[in-house]
Amino acid sequence: DTGVSQDPRHKITKRGQNVTFRCDPISEHNRLYWYRQTLGQGPEFLTYFQNEAQLEKSRLLSDRFSAERPKGSFSTLEIQRTEQGDSAMYLCASTVTGGYEKLFFGSGTQLSVL
Amino acid sequence: KQEVTQIPAALSVPEGENLVLNCSFTDSAIYNLQWFRQDPGKGLTSLLLIQSSQREQTSGRLNASLDKSSGRSTLYIAASQPGDSATYLCAAIDQTGANNLFFGTGTRLTVIP
Repeated sequence: DTGVSQDPRHKITKRGQNVTFRCDPISEHNRLYWYRQTLGQGPEFLTYFQNEAQLEKSRLLSDRFSAERPKGSFSTLEIQRTEQGDSAMYLCASTVTGGYEKLFFGSGTQLSVL
Repeated sequence: KQEVTQIPAALSVPEGENLVLNCSFTDSAIYNLQWFRQDPGKGLTSLLLIQSSQREQTSGRLNASLDKSSGRSTLYIAASQPGDSATYLCAAIDQTGANNLFFGTGTRLTVIP
């Protein structure tokens, strides 16, 4: 068990490009969350999955954002037509149902949109 | 919507001092409250989780308390060390079924050797 893994650690892209991030949760965790964090702020909830089902999406998640979790294992977060305002740290977290919702976070993907 | 506030935003203390970080939340109907540590440019590390039925949790030099009626939690750090320097975030998970954490903006702690 190596914890929650996120890839890449850093991503620099030009405005208008599409980017995709990957998250591998702790193996027995059935819940997976995506958060976004900007400098000096706490993380903000984006979406979460229970197994392969996406159960909730924040209003922060515009139509340019899409997340998947095929087969209830790893998850991807895609941002289409990136904007400078998308620059942030994207954090993934996982937990197991019944574990008092104690979340384990990955190291995050830092996105910079130029 | 749950709002979480942390005071102070930044704190500097000399090594060895005991300190308290404060967290307040607006909706007392929480499922649990978690304290996290975040080092610059890194993800979050869970420190302590307090369930809504509990009053406090302890781990080593850390003690977290929860008072739901007043909407407050505190994180007490004993005998601070330079390695404790980081941003400390509290987060409340509510009972509405939203199943997500509402974070404060954090307290940036610097322990001076």
